[in-house]
Formats: sequence, structure tokens, C-alpha cells
Amino acid sequence: KNQVEQSPQSLIILEGKNCTLQCNYTVSPFSNLRWYKQDTGRGPVSLTIMTFSENTKSNGRYTATLDADTKQSSLHITASQLSDSASYICVVKSSGYALNFGKGTSLLVTP
Amino acid sequence: EAQVTQNPRYLITVTGKKLTVTCSQNMNHEYMSWYRQDPGLGLRQIYYSMNVEVTDKGDVPEGYKVSRKEKRNFPLILESPSPNQTSLYFCASSLFSVGRADYGYTFGSGTRLTVV
Repeated sequence: KNQVEQSPQSLIILEGKNCTLQCNYTVSPFSNLRWYKQDTGRGPVSLTIMTFSENTKSNGRYTATLDADTKQSSLHITASQLSDSASYICVVKSSGYALNFGKGTSLLVTP
Repeated sequence: EAQVTQNPRYLITVTGKKLTVTCSQNMNHEYMSWYRQDPGLGLRQIYYSMNVEVTDKGDVPEGYKVSRKEKRNFPLILESPSPNQTSLYFCASSLFSVGRADYGYTFGSGTRLTVV
């Protein structure tokens, strides 16, 4: 069964600090992996999309990594800001059109 | 502005009263999909459509109907809502039904439905 597991479930960090969120998946075959940011009560917004051949991709202070061999991805947030407080969702796409969603990591950045 | 528009944003209704949540996209996307999001469960797919008049069940289709008469619209219909359908609903669209890596999914802002 295709699964996407994210850790930690929730995280609290101080403003200005860095953090790393993890995503492990068992989806096969693999097409691509996406990280989304979801503000409370809003729709998810794409941060990065990576295919099998991509190891890392950045979007401003967000850097995603992918190890397709171990089926692991991480999202690193540098110099966190209060506006980074959100849920971060890892989504893995297999062949076809279905998306496999992780349950998300809830990040709270405090002053 | 390219977007997916859902209406209404908030809805409180009573058990058994039919309702429709509308979804419209202005990006000429073939693929559209409905999800529900519940605490601790993440996003789960209800129905999807690969093009006009082509719809199929997702993971949790029971109690829902959809239609795709036009490319831009993909309404979600609850014929007889029940309290277990209280949830946050999202509509999403994508350019290609197979979802090329360069094209992500655009999500609507969500509809918070409460069935009492």
C-alpha cells in the first residue's frame, strides 16, 4: 500500500532558527514528490516539486532534498519567520494521476 | 489571476438537506479533484475528473456526487448530508490529467462544512 509518513507531527521553534521536516514514503512507482505549505483554513500552496533525478530544490528559505534510493525527503527551513507557522504536507505522486498525501507537520514559530 | 474558486467558504446545514459546493478554475485545466481534510487524517480524495464528462471515485466517495459538464466547473453534491461529512473540503485542478512534474496542483481556499 502506498504510504507517506511525515515527522515530526508537530514542531515549535523560535523565530530565526532553522528546522528540518521529514517525509518517508513507500509509493511505487515513483513519479515526483511535492512539498506544500498550508496556512490554517486555507488551501495548500506548492513549495517545491522534485522528480526522481533531482536531489535538492530550493524556493527562497525553503530547501527540499530527495533520496529516491531510501525513499526519503526533507524540507529545511532557514531563518524561520513567524509567517512560516503552518502545516507542511509531503505529497508523493505515482504513475497516473493519484496523489498520496502525508498527514502533515504542524510548525509553530514563536517570537 | 489563475485560481481555483470554491463557494461557499463556510456552510452550516442540517442533516438530510441537499447541498452543492461549487468549484471553478480559470486555467483550462483538464484534471480536477475534490478532497476532504479531517484532523489527524490529512487530505483524502473524494472524486476526481480527468476531463469533461469523465469522473471517477477517489478514496472516500460515499455520500458524495460530482459532475463535469464543463471544463471549468466541478461541483460537489451532497444529496443527504450527515454529521460525519462535517469537514474542510478542497477542490484542486491540474493542467494534465497525468500531472507532469512541472505542473503542480492548484488548490482552492476551502469550504468548511458543518452538518448538524
